[in-house]
Amino acid sequence: DAKTTQPNSMESNEEEPVHLPCNHSTISGTDYIHWYRQLPSQGPEYVIHGLTSNVNNRMASLAIAEDRKSSTLILHRATLRDAAVYYCILIIYNQGGKLIFGQGTELSVKP
Amino acid sequence: DAGVTQSPTHLIKTRGQQVTLRCSPKSGHDTVSWYQQALGQGPQFIFQYYEEEERQRGNFPDRFSGHQFPNYSSELNVNALLLGDSALYLCASSLGLAALNEQFFGPGTRLTVL
Repeated sequence: DAKTTQPNSMESNEEEPVHLPCNHSTISGTDYIHWYRQLPSQGPEYVIHGLTSNVNNRMASLAIAEDRKSSTLILHRATLRDAAVYYCILIIYNQGGKLIFGQGTELSVKP
Repeated sequence: DAGVTQSPTHLIKTRGQQVTLRCSPKSGHDTVSWYQQALGQGPQFIFQYYEEEERQRGNFPDRFSGHQFPNYSSELNVNALLLGDSALYLCASSLGLAALNEQFFGPGTRLTVL
């Protein structure tokens, strides 16, 4: 399974942008980059996904490097509710949604 | 519209016992996956059910087994419990097996093995 590397933890101030990096140097051409997050005492929830192009949705933006060996999840204005563990996951196209979670990045947001 | 529900919320068992955890998928979803999350770790994939068959399996021993019913709900069974089986067990549902389909997670069942 392709591996991702993320910082263990990051801090942000409320209402400031947050850039969460992820390295995936062994990514293959058909691997999709997904991000999930897990709020305290809850199951993970989907945030965003992409293949090659940058993606935006109501929760976040995903910036993917041209060589696809890294990506960055961008929260445009962090709120206290965004404090969570963020997981960057590579999904192999033909393996039907099997999610391989790493350690993730624990994001804390200061008021 | 109910999301993914799991029961029970918490469970305490002793070594050697057997346990059954239950999951009802989000309305309209037909695929259920199970994950084990040890304290401080990311979730680990156990297996996935679709059309009442196990479709994919992670690196878990045969003591872990499952079932999917015609109404798409699912059970996770663990036999001969070990202390190391203590964890949060998460159920996720999706529509179909496609890799891109968003998975919706339940709140989990916290299993403690004494």
